[in-house]
Amino acid sequence: EDQVTQSPEALRLQEGESSSLNCSYTVSGLRGLFWYRQDPGKGPEFLFTLYSAGEEKEKERLKATLTKKESFLHITAPKPEDSATYLCAVQVNYGGSQGNLIFGKGTKLSVKP
Amino acid sequence: DADVTQTPRNRITKTGKRIMLECSQTKGHDRMYWYRQDPGLGLRLIYYSFDVKDINKGEISDGYSVSRQAQAKFSLSLESAIPNQTALYFCATSDGQLSYEQYFGPGTRLTVT
Repeated sequence: EDQVTQSPEALRLQEGESSSLNCSYTVSGLRGLFWYRQDPGKGPEFLFTLYSAGEEKEKERLKATLTKKESFLHITAPKPEDSATYLCAVQVNYGGSQGNLIFGKGTKLSVKP
Repeated sequence: DADVTQTPRNRITKTGKRIMLECSQTKGHDRMYWYRQDPGLGLRLIYYSFDVKDINKGEISDGYSVSRQAQAKFSLSLESAIPNQTALYFCATSDGQLSYEQYFGPGTRLTVT
């Protein structure tokens, strides 16, 4: 069964304290891995797509990396405005539902000033 | 203006009532999706449509129906609402040709009493 697991469920950081969020996946064939940011009561906001192992993408204080089994979202010197829930999703390259995303349950990040 | 809009944004209804949630998009995407989000369960796919004539059930379609009125409009109906359909509902769109990331609307908070 295709699965996406995110850890930790929640993470509290002090402003400036760098850390990483993990997304591990079990699929037979990966087309792409997606990272989203979600603020409370709002829709997920697209951040990155990664397609192949070794690929990296950066945006401001965020950097996403991909291996054959997992992805990391590295947050460098976070600020309070980075507080949100970060969602990971995978897209498989087989089956009739190609194009659909399988979401993890998210990591809730809190950054204290 | 937002690319993906949802109406209503909040709705309180009673058990047994029929309710329709509407989604419109200006991104020109062919693919549209309906998700529900519950605390601890993450995002779950209800229905998806790859074009106007193509509608498919997702992971949790029981108790729901959809209508794709046009490329830009995708509606979700609850024929007879029940309390465990209380959730946050999101519409999303994707290109599905050049890229596969999904873009989400702001959500509808539905409460069934």
